[in-house]
Amino acid sequence: EAQVTQNPRYLITVTGKKLTVTCSQNMNHEYMSWYRQDPGLGLRQIYYSMNVEVTDKGDVPEGYKVSRKEKRNFPLILESPSPNQTSLYFCASSPHPWGILISNTGELFFGEGSRLTVL
Amino acid sequence: SQQGEEDPQALSIQEGENATMNCSYKTSINNLQWYRQNSGRGLVHLILIRSNEREKHSGRLRVTLDTSKKSSSLLITASRAADTASYFCATDLSNTGNQFYFGTGTSLTVIP
Repeated sequence: EAQVTQNPRYLITVTGKKLTVTCSQNMNHEYMSWYRQDPGLGLRQIYYSMNVEVTDKGDVPEGYKVSRKEKRNFPLILESPSPNQTSLYFCASSPHPWGILISNTGELFFGEGSRLTVL
Repeated sequence: SQQGEEDPQALSIQEGENATMNCSYKTSINNLQWYRQNSGRGLVHLILIRSNEREKHSGRLRVTLDTSKKSSSLLITASRAADTASYFCATDLSNTGNQFYFGTGTSLTVIP
């Protein structure tokens, strides 16, 4: 089954304790991205990756790191979490970002979300 | 800053009625997409309309795009209780094409 898998789905942690949220997709997608969703603010992009070893900042990258060593995986790393990073996090992937220019691809496939609470 | 904004923020209708929600955006785009999110779940892609298209249909969904007004609308016809969800528009800017900007969403409640 084609899917984007995030882990953990729920996590409560304390300020400063490093954590990683994993994201894996089995669709051989080149494009992957992380979003956070907060009430009243919608989804905001944290980082995205066009392909292996290619990552770039989104709108709210502060406090986060990512890596793309393999095509299927795109982990989100919080080196020193703070309470303002309490949020619902989504990983998403897409077949090819430039596909939107020549076809009707470009839709994002989302994981089920990871609810993070930082105390 | 928010690229897309949905209107209304919340909408409540009776089953069988049509639901219309709107999205406005700020800068030129390559395409506009609509997504649906059931409470606390991942977003699911509904429909994509390209900047050179004006209208698109998919089942009970009808999407329009007016690039001169920088706005789009999503119409769900003959709504069902199962349509209860939040709906988001997402745009990508024509000068990058690799960042997607989501609005704050419209929360739709369909009353059986």
